[in-house]
Order: sequence, then structure tokens, then C-alpha cells
Amino acid sequence: DAGVIQSPRHEVTEMGQEVTLRCKPISGHDYLFWYRQTMMRGLELLIYFNNNVPIDDSGMPEDRFSAKMPNASFSTLKIQPSEPRDSAVYFCASSLGSSHEQYFGPGTRLTVT
Amino acid sequence: AQSVAQPEDQVNVAEGNPLTVKCTYSVSGNPYLFWYVQYPNRGLQFLLKYITGDNLVKGSYGFEAEFNKSQTSFHLKKPSALVSDSALYFCAVRDELDGDFNKFYFGSGTKLNVKP
Repeated sequence: DAGVIQSPRHEVTEMGQEVTLRCKPISGHDYLFWYRQTMMRGLELLIYFNNNVPIDDSGMPEDRFSAKMPNASFSTLKIQPSEPRDSAVYFCASSLGSSHEQYFGPGTRLTVT
Repeated sequence: AQSVAQPEDQVNVAEGNPLTVKCTYSVSGNPYLFWYVQYPNRGLQFLLKYITGDNLVKGSYGFEAEFNKSQTSFHLKKPSALVSDSALYFCAVRDELDGDFNKFYFGSGTKLNVKP
């Protein structure tokens, strides 16, 4: 398996623009997680899905952030409008049911200027 | 409340020497404990986990970790460090009694520097 796939790997955008990050989980995994990593706050869970249904979005910073999972093989994290403080590395991870460990993608490094 | 502490921001060790990266946790029920490693510009990679059973857990790349319930610790160890082990290490916990068992609680990370 190719592992968790994220795109783009790097994104540079201007403040106010819409940003869409994409994730393809490992085939067969039924849980998908979005994390944000910054030097100041470390690794933060933003939202996670089970069988394509959002379960907990309490980590989503504000209404500018939204996430969807239209099918088992694809998820998006959207920021609209983007702000410089959104600059971070965003990770997607997936796991299988009762399996305990999560598998992380390579991340998307977002820079908002 | 669940939490994980990695008391050292950075650990320096000479190649060939043993290494220890410390982790302590706080949970309500039985802990499920994990170690991940992150190399520069990469995602986190799973190293090992403790769920139940033997307190000494062996994982990838020669790493092992010891679960100590009385000290609520899960320190990562390796008998002989390699320069290629230099990376950022994260400890994580899941709480058996957490209402949302699927959530991981990650530590702040420890940067391991192995010098030749």
C-alpha cells in the first residue's frame, strides 16, 4: 500500500484566499484524522471521521475551517478565508477499526502571507 | 483528564551509547501507549505500542519501551544509538475510559540528537 497520501505537499497563498488540503487514507481504514502541527502548539487534533462521518470537530479552530469526507478514499480540509496564523503543517492520518495505531501522511506545509 | 508529558525538549547522546527518551502520562483508566518518530519534512511514523501484557515492548529500528504503571511512565530506549536515529520523538496515549477512545493525546515531542 502507498500509505496515506496528501496533496499538495507545499502550499503558499495570500491572506484571504481559500485553501483546500487533500487526503487519501490507506485503503480499508475506517478512521481518518486531521492534525495541525506548529512550533508553538505542537500537534493538535482538528477533526476525525469514522466511516466518512465526522465524529469530533471540537479541535477545529473556527468557522473558517471545514472538513469533508465524501467517500472512504478521500477527505478535504478547507480554510476560507486563510490567515497568516493558519501557517502550519497539516497532517492526515488513518487507522483501522480496533487497530490501535494511526498512520500518518507526509503532511502539507501551508504558508499564508 | 488525559495528558502526556515529555520533560525533555532535547536529548543529546553520542553514537554507540544507550539512549532514553522520557514520557509520563496521566489517564483515568488503563493506558494505551505509543511512540512515534518524525524525521525532517516527514509525517509521524509508528515505532511501538503498549496495550497489555509484557511491560517491555520491542518496536522498529531496535527501539524498545518499558511500561511502568507505578511511575506512570513509558520511556523509550535503545541500547546503542545511531546517527540516523536523530529525529523528533512523540509519545502518545489513549485512555481506556475516555468517552472518546479514538482520540490520541500527544506529548510535545523530544528532539534526539545523536552525534558521531
